[in-house]
Amino acid sequence: GDSVTQMEGPVTLSEEAFLTINCTYTATGYPSLFWYVQYPGEGLQLLLKATKADDKGSNKGFEATYRKETTSFHLEKGSVQVSDSAVYFCALINQGGKLIFGQGTELSVKP
Amino acid sequence: GAVVSQHPSRVICKSGTSVKIECRSLDFQATTMFWYRQFPKQSLMLMATSNEGSKATYEQGVEKDKFLINHASLTLSTLTVTSAHPEDSSFYICSAPLHASSYEQYFGPGTRLTVT
Repeated sequence: GDSVTQMEGPVTLSEEAFLTINCTYTATGYPSLFWYVQYPGEGLQLLLKATKADDKGSNKGFEATYRKETTSFHLEKGSVQVSDSAVYFCALINQGGKLIFGQGTELSVKP
Repeated sequence: GAVVSQHPSRVICKSGTSVKIECRSLDFQATTMFWYRQFPKQSLMLMATSNEGSKATYEQGVEKDKFLINHASLTLSTLTVTSAHPEDSSFYICSAPLHASSYEQYFGPGTRLTVT
């Protein structure tokens, strides 16, 4: 079935470090891909999305490119801040219209 | 942006009792809402799709008699965990799309259920 796999956390970085969180997927067809972020005590928020191959989603300095050939959607940010500390979820919408999530990656940024 | 609320945020109950969790769309109407369950350090698992005015659609392996869903209005869906047991302890999250045809969902902050 359809699935999403993320790198395991927690990921601990110093402020201004470069961030990569890997995400790969398995799905029928060409699903839309998403990154959601969950700040402590809050609900999930959509961070960025890409709906077709080679699309790049971007928001708040984060970027991810839809790579069909490697079935990946890695999240990157050039310089993280303490306020980026959160749990990040990669997800896809499958042909049945359901959101399939990865297991989440906790990011902790130290000053 | 659109806001979805959940109540309560935390609840502790004894084994055998029932607990109701509310999910509300605060500034938009939602004909469909989704209920997820999240275990520690794990992904969100879709439990069921709540449909306003009709029966909920449950995912495989989810007991419909245990997790009762009612979507009585365009802004409110409720999840009732009946005869709760410690293994039902989890984080329950709801979401709703802004429009019926939209893939973008807005999530509630979640409800932490602990069954003792």
